Amino acid sequence: NAGVTQTPKFRVLKTGQSMTLLCAQDMNHEYMYWYRQDPGMGLRLIHYSVGEGTTAKGEVPDGYNVSRLKKQNFLLGLESAAPSQTSVYFCASSYIRTGNREQYFGPGTRLTVT
Amino acid sequence: RKEVEQDPGPFNVPEGATVAFNCTYSNSASQSFFWYRQDCRKEPKLLMSVYSSGNEDGRFTAQLNRASQYISLLIRDSKLSDSATYLCVVNILRDTGFQKLVFGTGTRLLVSP
Repeated sequence: NAGVTQTPKFRVLKTGQSMTLLCAQDMNHEYMYWYRQDPGMGLRLIHYSVGEGTTAKGEVPDGYNVSRLKKQNFLLGLESAAPSQTSVYFCASSYIRTGNREQYFGPGTRLTVT
Repeated sequence: RKEVEQDPGPFNVPEGATVAFNCTYSNSASQSFFWYRQDCRKEPKLLMSVYSSGNEDGRFTAQLNRASQYISLLIRDSKLSDSATYLCVVNILRDTGFQKLVFGTGTRLLVSP
């Protein structure tokens, strides 16, 4: 099992460009999440999904969109990148009872917006 | 006030030392508690869950004090490989029924020879 994978690992964007980050998991988890991690801020939840075809906003959703067309994939889109979106992005997944279950993280995507 | 607060450190300790980290949380309705470990430029990984009665896993001991709303992690006989950032994580039940994990900013541990 590969666990949780993310593509790409690194990306540099110019302000205003768009991109999609792909997350895939092969553990048949119902829940999937997108976080961003910035120095001194801890991990912050951007969007999450409780199942195929459903998504919901986390605490910092502005400037991002997500889709979960297949159970194993969770996509994060930046329509018009801004320097404030320079960050490390982590995808995670878990079983349905997330409060009592471990979240498994992907290796992260390092995004720089110039 | 942050929902989860940790001393960022770094804690510099020699090999073999015992070191303890504390973490405080603000939401008294928090239900579950965890310690995650994050190595430099890597993803967080679950180190251990924290149970009300306290729990131990080898050299690691976690304690929960609900009355004072803090969690602790004790590492005995520190190894070089313990050098990492330790994230305190608290589960909070939102009005929507969604159980959200709130991550602290982490405590950095450096173990030296």
